[in-house]
Order: sequence, then C-alpha cells, then structure tokens
Amino acid sequence: ETGVTQTPRHLVMGMTNKKSLKCEQHLGHNAMYWYKQSAKKPLELMFVYSLEERVENNSVPSRFSPECPNSSHLFLHLHTLQPEDSALYLCASSQDSANTEAFFGQGTRLTVV
Amino acid sequence: GDSVTQMEGPVTLSEEAFLTINCTYTATGYPSLFWYVQYPGEGLQLLLKATKADDKGSNKGFEATYRKETTSFHLEKGSVQVSDSAVYFCALSDYTGFQKLVFGTGTRLLVSP
Repeated sequence: ETGVTQTPRHLVMGMTNKKSLKCEQHLGHNAMYWYKQSAKKPLELMFVYSLEERVENNSVPSRFSPECPNSSHLFLHLHTLQPEDSALYLCASSQDSANTEAFFGQGTRLTVV
Repeated sequence: GDSVTQMEGPVTLSEEAFLTINCTYTATGYPSLFWYVQYPGEGLQLLLKATKADDKGSNKGFEATYRKETTSFHLEKGSVQVSDSAVYFCALSDYTGFQKLVFGTGTRLLVSP
C-alpha cells in the first residue's frame, strides 16, 4: 500500500464505549496529524506529532487521546465521547520541514450515539 | 492568528462554464498557499500550491495565483466538468517549528451536464 491509510472508514459508538482510530503512512514522513472535520466548519487541527513526539495539542478534550508508537503509525483513542464529537476524522502526514505538502487519508466517519 | 476565508457555496455551474472560487487569507509571516479538493466520501487531495508571491499553481486545468498585495489565492478553471464536482478547500501553511495547515470552510462545487 502507498499513501496514508485510515481504519476503520466508518465507526458508530455509544457514549460509554472505548474505541481507537488507526492511521498508517508509507511515505517515510516524519510528521503526522489528526484533524476533525465537522459540517460547515473549517478543518480543526487536533494533534501534531513530529518524530513521534507530540508538538501540538490544540485544546482538545481529554476524551481524545493520541498515540504515536513510531513514525509510520498514529492512533486516536476515544472514550466517553459526546454526540457533538460525531465528525470525519482525518489523518495526514508530511515531511517535517517548512511549507511542504500534507497527504491525507480518506478519513474515519465517526458517529456517537 | 492566521486565517483563511472562502466564498460560501454551493457554487452551481453547467458543464464547460468558467469557475472562480475566491479565497483570501490573513497571516503574520509568508505562508505557502494551497488548494485541496475533497471528492464525496474521500479525504483531501492536494490540487495545487504556491510557495511565494506571484507564483501560479496549476493542475488538471485549475489555476491560482499567489497575490500578496491583495492577500488572495483565487481558484479558477476555464471549463468545468461534471467530474469536478467536489468540495474545494483553500489553506495556508504556517511554519512555527512544524508545518501547520490552516483551512477555510470549504466551497462545494456542483457541475451539471
């Protein structure tokens, strides 16, 4: 596989569940990102990892917990979510330098019931 | 902080019509500018980019010119096709130790035969 792959593509979970989103990139990039895409709102940057170290946490609630075990994998652990957390969650990667292209995965469509 | 403003959609055109989607930005530094496209059910794909003033990005018949004096990066295409129907996102890249993409809200384009 090439590019950025996200699994699952769709996820429905209850507010008391615990689930994880997975992202994998095969591009040799050093930076990985989680974005949240909600209807009629700009994409919101949630987390940034550079060389497996978190460098940005954009005031995201603690019910979202990222994990970056190596430069190719990024997880978003979810627990006790709210219905307003329903959105498309996009993973991206880029070379860890200035002004370079970000490559996005297809996203995970999350519905919290 | 940095921000991107796009025209609200949807933009509805007939096939072979001329397309313009306006984008203006606010940034403290000298960002790179991007247009991303999102087809239904997919993640974002880079359409074109420009890294400095007066640069013109182009791809698949789409063009945008980095205008520093008007802080704009309008997207144009001379003759749209039905397959161009998608959501288009304008974005800027601000480097603050890591690449950070700031997106507009997106503009939906609907092209009818």
